[in-house]
Amino acid sequence: DAGITQSPRHKVTETGTPVTLRCHQTENHRYMYWYRQDPGHGLRLIHYSYGVKDTDKGEVSDGYSVSRSKTEDFLLTLESATSSQTSVYFCAISESEGGNYEQYFGPGTRLTVT
Amino acid sequence: GESVGLHLPTLSVQEGDNSIINCAYSNSASDYFIWYKQESGKGPQFIIDIRSNMDKRQGQRVTVLLNKTVKHLSLQIAATQPGDSAVYFCAENRTGRRALTFGSGTRLQVQP
Repeated sequence: DAGITQSPRHKVTETGTPVTLRCHQTENHRYMYWYRQDPGHGLRLIHYSYGVKDTDKGEVSDGYSVSRSKTEDFLLTLESATSSQTSVYFCAISESEGGNYEQYFGPGTRLTVT
Repeated sequence: GESVGLHLPTLSVQEGDNSIINCAYSNSASDYFIWYKQESGKGPQFIIDIRSNMDKRQGQRVTVLLNKTVKHLSLQIAATQPGDSAVYFCAENRTGRRALTFGSGTRLQVQP
């Protein structure tokens, strides 16, 4: 998985509780992304980062926040989890040089909100 | 809104046959396209990519074709093997952005 780890890999939480998912990379890539994947859908972008402390919203950012204080770590926080946020979450990384836009994905975190 | 989509949700082929997975995109400003393979329980895995200034690109047993006139992208897999069974996603990068937009996926089933 191209030097990308996600933690935790599985989590069950209750509605209304805060949840933080962590993505860690060892590739020193500039760009990092958070996606969610639901049955019948492809991957939908939540937030992404183009550098330390530089982030931007994706298409499904409501209810999520992110932080990137170090190149290697990108955190996704659900301030107050809802059942609609039950999903599989993937982190991805990408280089910035040469117009190479391919992203490399982590193993995913399965989150269940009860 | 504009999006990347796929024609067939499930494709079933015989082992050894060639597979063709299709993808339609609607944003003419997209400058880069990519195919991913996702096996059950794993993250998407990069297969092959193509830039908008190209029509065709070949990899090992895979070929991507891009037809900008009709905004169509296809992935061809030669001599399909059981290990090719997975969900395949196309994705596009729109000029000026660094974020891919994914299609909903096609499941490829390889029959022995």
